[in-house]
This record gives sequence, structure tokens and C-alpha cells, in this order.
Amino acid sequence: EIVMTQSPATLSVSPGERATLSCRASQSISNNLAWYQQKPGQAPRLLIYGASTRATGIPARFSGSGSGTEFTLTISSLQSEDFAVYYCQQYNNWPPWTFGQGTKVEIK
Amino acid sequence: EVQLVESGGGLVQPGGSLRLSCAASVFTFSSYAMSWVRQAPGKGLEWVSAISGRGTNTYYAASVKGRFTISRDNSKNILYLQMNSLRAEDTAVYYCAKAPPSVIAYFDYWGQGTLVTVSS
Repeated sequence: EIVMTQSPATLSVSPGERATLSCRASQSISNNLAWYQQKPGQAPRLLIYGASTRATGIPARFSGSGSGTEFTLTISSLQSEDFAVYYCQQYNNWPPWTFGQGTKVEIK
Repeated sequence: EVQLVESGGGLVQPGGSLRLSCAASVFTFSSYAMSWVRQAPGKGLEWVSAISGRGTNTYYAASVKGRFTISRDNSKNILYLQMNSLRAEDTAVYYCAKAPPSVIAYFDYWGQGTLVTVSS
């Protein structure tokens, strides 16, 4: 089973600043990585797939990069609606499809 | 817009059973693999089970294998999760999630979730 590790657990950022979230896979997953955003009381929403392709309707301030074992989600200029928990998920080796433990982006 | 609506959650005693349903609309249901993903209170996301579009292939997490059964009725556009021998650690919000075309990979649409509480 591939283990996904996200860092940091919590990221404190001021509105308008850049946020950089990391995700590491326990073995190479090529670019088979997705990112999700989850707000309290809501279902997760797909942001990025293929490590760097934005899903339909996702603003350009969200970008993903990386391949192999190291991945990054960058939010270029945080808006109020971006404060949420973000999860990465691998789909290279399955089953199981595995998620990271999440990074909470909070207002500084 | 794709719609996924879960139902069937509730309070059940340890060792009991529950069947979850997920009604899908606004897409060709039988063309897409589907999954169940759960989230324990205050915790992260855990994939539970997946099924191919025609229902011929099914997959389970080790934590539920032998206790849960995924199925689908493509004539009714409904996904199911039969949960038996429930344990306290199965307490979670259960989401159904749609896969993209042709492959079970990431999850591009999610339902709102249904809460399952296993407690005496």
C-alpha cells in the first residue's frame, strides 16, 4: 500500500499571501496524484488531477506540480473561500486508493 | 450538473447491518466506476470500496473486506453499500464518489454524504 504524507498539518496564511502545501508518496506514483479541497460540513471537491491539471471550474490561482514521490499544491493568492482542509490522493497503485492525512489552511 | 445523493445512514448497534444507497443523475451512470469513501469524525478521508461501470469488478479496503459489499443497479442509477458486522470504528460519514471516464482513478464528483453511527 502506498502511504501519502502531507506537510505541514496546519498552515497559517494571511489573505492575499501564497500557500504551498506538500505531499509525499512512499514510492513513485508518476503523476497519478489528485488534490481535493474540503470545507467544514461539505464533501471534498476535486481541484487537481494528473498532478497539475485543474479540474473544471477551478480558479487559476490553484496550481499543482511534481512527479514521482514529491508533489506541491500552490495557492497563489489566498482568498477567504480558500481556507479549508486539502487532501492529496494517489491513484497509481490500487487498490487501495490512498489519501494523505490533510493540511488545514487557516487564517493567520 | 452531476448529482449524487446518499441515503440509508443512521444509528446501528455493533454487529448490526445497514445498507447505503447513492442515487445518481445527469450522467450515463453505467459508463462510470463508482466508489465509497468515508470520513470518521474529525479525521481524514479513507477509500472503502469501488465498483466498475458494469459491476463486474469490485474492490475493497482491507478494513472492510468480508463485511461490506458494493453493488450497483444500472437500470435505476443507484449505487449500494451493504455493511454487515458493523464495528464502532466504522462510524463515519460515507460519501459516494464518481470516477472519471474509463478508469477508476481520482474522484471528480462527490455526494453530500450520509452519517453512519455504530454504537450501543
